[in-house]
Amino acid sequence: GDSVTQMEGPVTLSEEAFLTINCTYTATGYPSLFWYVQYPGEGLQLLLKATKADDKGSNKGFEATYRKETTSFHLEKGSVQVSDSAVYFCALRGRAGGTSYGKLTFGQGTILTVHP
Amino acid sequence: EADIYQTPRYLVIGTGKKITLECSQTMGHDKMYWYQQDPGMELHLIHYSYGVNSTEKGDLSSESTVSRIRTEHFPLTLESARPSHTSQYLCASSPTGGAVARSTDTQYFGPGTRLTVL
Repeated sequence: GDSVTQMEGPVTLSEEAFLTINCTYTATGYPSLFWYVQYPGEGLQLLLKATKADDKGSNKGFEATYRKETTSFHLEKGSVQVSDSAVYFCALRGRAGGTSYGKLTFGQGTILTVHP
Repeated sequence: EADIYQTPRYLVIGTGKKITLECSQTMGHDKMYWYQQDPGMELHLIHYSYGVNSTEKGDLSSESTVSRIRTEHFPLTLESARPSHTSQYLCASSPTGGAVARSTDTQYFGPGTRLTVL
């Protein structure tokens, strides 16, 4: 079945440092890929997404590129801020017709803490 | 901006009580989901619905039940709560798109209900 593997955390960075959170996946066909963010005490919010190979999703300075050849969707940001401290989830949505269609499969989440 | 609501936000109850967690969305989405988030933060799908009168079990077995009598409402019920049910419960919804689903496949999440069973 579908699965998502995320870089284990927690990740601790200083403000303005470069961020990478690795995400790889296993799925049949061409799933849609997502990064969600969860701030303390809140639900998940969509951060960015990509629906086909070589697509780049971007939002709020974060970027991730859908790499079919390496089955990866790594999250990057050039200069993190204290306000980026949160839990980040990589997820995939199975393709139409598959048993996972419409449902999201999440990675285990990565805690990011950014210090001033 | 997505409009999906969950109540209560926090609930502390004793063992054996019956509880219902409410989830409502005002976006007219056909698909709705319940996730359980454990202390390690991992999310597990426990129920989903593709429309009125449609409910399915998710990937993680759960003693809870759900109903979908109206499009906008997807409550989750525990008949007899136990300490093992202590967790965060997240509700989500997404639109239906058919051939264009890939552009409308985002799930929108509510703020969650943190349940503690003593």
